Amino acid sequence: AQSVTQPDIHITVSEGASLELRCNYSYGATPYLFWYVQSPGQGLQLLLKYFSGDTLVQGIKGFEAEFKRSQSSFNLRKPSVHWSDAAEYFCAVGGQGAQKLVFGQGTRLTINP
Amino acid sequence: GAVVSQHPSWVICKSGTSVKIECRSLDFQATTMFWYRQFPKQSLMLMATSNEGSKATYEQGVEKDKFLINHASLTLSTLTVTSAHPEDSSFYICRAEDRGANEQFFGPGTRLTVL
Repeated sequence: AQSVTQPDIHITVSEGASLELRCNYSYGATPYLFWYVQSPGQGLQLLLKYFSGDTLVQGIKGFEAEFKRSQSSFNLRKPSVHWSDAAEYFCAVGGQGAQKLVFGQGTRLTINP
Repeated sequence: GAVVSQHPSWVICKSGTSVKIECRSLDFQATTMFWYRQFPKQSLMLMATSNEGSKATYEQGVEKDKFLINHASLTLSTLTVTSAHPEDSSFYICRAEDRGANEQFFGPGTRLTVL
């Protein structure tokens, strides 16, 4: 069965600092991997996705993620966070066509001024 | 770009009443739509997969008779929460698949509060 684990429930970083949000997945075939961001009371916005090819993918808002098959990981990074990045971040995995996405528990990001 | 809308964005109802939530794909045809629910400070849980013109496929533990899903057209899927109770209060989010573009888009969500 497919599953996603986001080990960090809550992370706090200072504005301007670098950020890494962890995501580990379990999937029996080639995974389709996603990172979404959700502001309070809002829907989900896609930050980036990985299907195949270059394992380092660039997304919107300066985010990037690296797919590491050997570690079953797809960690999200940003070199310098902004106060507006404070939100809930979800990692998700699906199969070909990404039909049935399974989401991780989410990581809440707080930014200190 | 492609947009998925949900209506209403929020609804408050009395216990025992039924509530219908609409999910529309505004500029693409969505043969498949997915319905999720999200409790406060929790992740999204897939409730069911809705395919146009056929019965929805429900995830284990989701009551088919309580959460009625209809996908009558390629741009509209509806979720009806029947005889709603306070424990049904949640954030309901749909996701629509644009198969032609190999893209998926989430709706903005509907917050349901049952008194």
